[in-house]
Amino acid sequence: GAGVSQSPSNKVTEKGKDVELRCDPISGHTALYWYRQSLGQGLEFLIYFQGNSAPDKSGLPSDRFSAERTGGSVSTLTIQRTQQEDSAVYLCASRIRDRGSYEQYFGPGTRLTVT
Amino acid sequence: AQSVTQLDSHVSVSEGTPVLLRCNYSSSYSPSLFWYVQHPNKGLQLLLKYTSAATLVKGINGFEAEFKKSETSFHLTKPSAHMSDAAEYFCVVSSTGFKTIFGAGTRLFVKA
Repeated sequence: GAGVSQSPSNKVTEKGKDVELRCDPISGHTALYWYRQSLGQGLEFLIYFQGNSAPDKSGLPSDRFSAERTGGSVSTLTIQRTQQEDSAVYLCASRIRDRGSYEQYFGPGTRLTVT
Repeated sequence: AQSVTQLDSHVSVSEGTPVLLRCNYSSSYSPSLFWYVQHPNKGLQLLLKYTSAATLVKGINGFEAEFKKSETSFHLTKPSAHMSDAAEYFCVVSSTGFKTIFGAGTRLFVKA
């Protein structure tokens, strides 16, 4: 079946512009995660959605970052007034439900470059 | 609280020799543990997972890991490295109701 998809795959933007990154999780997966991976670094947790519960936003690095998940499915990560340090690969993952034993399925990522 | 520590940022082995990637974790609850692999310019792929069944877990591509509660470890091993194993490996801890924690990653180099 279809996996997690993300769009765009690459995004180049000028400093100060806003960007929107999209994630389509696997159908039926209730949990959705956003991570950031900077060059040569590990994964940095950004935000976590689980069903209709309030999202865990504890990983968002600043108030320029926000995310929403509409209808329990598609999610959009928005970065306002982008800075060069925002350049990274943004990964989305979904999990069938909020049980620790279930693995996350990752999308291919969006490579964001801020010039 | 949960945390995961990958003890080596880089590991270099020769092709055909054993691989050992070390991971220690802490968790207030019975954790689930995972290893993911990320090949250059590729997405993250699940290698194997431990979910409180057998403590020795076998994964794809000949990798396995052993859950040792007394040592709070979940080291990844493979008897004989292949050139195609060169990648970044992430150890992950997860518990119900908590966000998943990724280790910093271990980059595996395989020499011919």
